[in-house]
Amino acid sequence: RKEVEQDPGPFNVPEGATVAFNCTYSNSASQSFFWYRQDCRKEPKLLMSVYSSGNEDGRFTAQLNRASQYISLLIRDSKLSDSATYLCVVNSPRDYKLSFGAGTTVTVRA
Amino acid sequence: GAVVSQHPSRVICKSGTSVKIECRSLDFQATTMFWYRQFPKQSLMLMATSNEGSKATYEQGVEKDKFLINHASLTLSTLTVTSAHPEDSSFYICSARDPTGRGSYGYTFGSGTRLTVV
Repeated sequence: RKEVEQDPGPFNVPEGATVAFNCTYSNSASQSFFWYRQDCRKEPKLLMSVYSSGNEDGRFTAQLNRASQYISLLIRDSKLSDSATYLCVVNSPRDYKLSFGAGTTVTVRA
Repeated sequence: GAVVSQHPSRVICKSGTSVKIECRSLDFQATTMFWYRQFPKQSLMLMATSNEGSKATYEQGVEKDKFLINHASLTLSTLTVTSAHPEDSSFYICSARDPTGRGSYGYTFGSGTRLTVV
């Protein structure tokens, strides 16, 4: 079983729409969770960390469900510039390694 | 914030040759660096963890004699792909951990190297 699994999508949405997707992780001892954004042929860049109580950063909302071991990301009022692959990332508490999901592709169309 | 410079950004080499990729932490001391590989439409896969002054720790299935990692200083780690073959063509990315916690909660990524072996 992969450490981090994501719905690959693609999610193809019109501008202004809301899009949401999840990922699941297998290590119940994981303590740090992140969403990264990766544009085509570029390095991943941190979008936001995910806190237990859930957190919001502008149009982006992240939720963590420890009991079910899943993390979600919701994008409101989608912009064309939100088109990217979103990577779910989990930090191993033991050795600082990051485990990446394969990514969820979002395409926002005009 | 913390910056990691990775070079080259793109390299094309002939099968059988070796390619060296460098990652430098520009404004912090990177005691630990991680090397990842990403094939198209797949996730980043950790290849190895290097610690300054000691041998790298390779993930299962990664050939240490093929992917040579050197982390001789606190600001420089290199990955050498030896005797490259077309199946080694991939996107290689390094990540350095800033012990002070700057830059994405301590993890800063290089801009990646796209290797094509012909």
